[in-house]
Amino acid sequence: QPSLTQPPSASGSPGQSVTISCAGTSSDVGAYNYVSWYQQHPGKVPKLIIYDVNKRPSGVSDRFSGSKSGNTASLTISGLQPEDEADYYCNSHALSSVIFGGGTKLTVL
Amino acid sequence: QVHLQESGPGLVKPSGTLSLTCTVSGYSISRDSHYWGWIRQYPGMGLQWIGTTYYDGRTFYRPSLKNRATLSIDTSTNQFSLKLTSVTAADTAVYYCMREIPGGAASDWGQGILVSVSS
Repeated sequence: QPSLTQPPSASGSPGQSVTISCAGTSSDVGAYNYVSWYQQHPGKVPKLIIYDVNKRPSGVSDRFSGSKSGNTASLTISGLQPEDEADYYCNSHALSSVIFGGGTKLTVL
Repeated sequence: QVHLQESGPGLVKPSGTLSLTCTVSGYSISRDSHYWGWIRQYPGMGLQWIGTTYYDGRTFYRPSLKNRATLSIDTSTNQFSLKLTSVTAADTAVYYCMREIPGGAASDWGQGILVSVSS
């Protein structure tokens, strides 16, 4: 089963904005408005930060935002903070299953 | 506040069956608003969706695991379970149980349980 394509790494300085892409196909990302993003710190449980492309769960900072264009979804983190350094994963509904991206390691310089 | 907790053996022999249970507290799994399922994470690597089940017994599986995985739900005990047959070393991973919003977003996770497949 194919997975979504994310860049393996991304980086930015404190205060800057960074965007992480999540490329899929017309059968998953392009077909549904059901893209989610997760943040995972080392040794910790993944945390949902964006769902349904651009919705934030209660308690998640508004520095995190999501969008989608065609078959590619994006996560933008504005005003980077040191605690944003983590792995980020996207996932998408795909027919009757769910597929994940390979993850992006974000480094805050 | 929903809480999920995985339980089961941390070591399974090759060709055996991996059996895990997720106990949910703070929320009734018989409510028709969420799915309940499993995600695994290989050591140092990414996430893999295994499947979900619904309060009415409907199940959805990752296509590549459909022949080996079975999800079940017990609303009387507020638990759901995963069985994975014919395991190999490639099934060694941290297994998370989770609550899923319709559409595929895993909104709540258990702490995870490491399951190793080894003789």
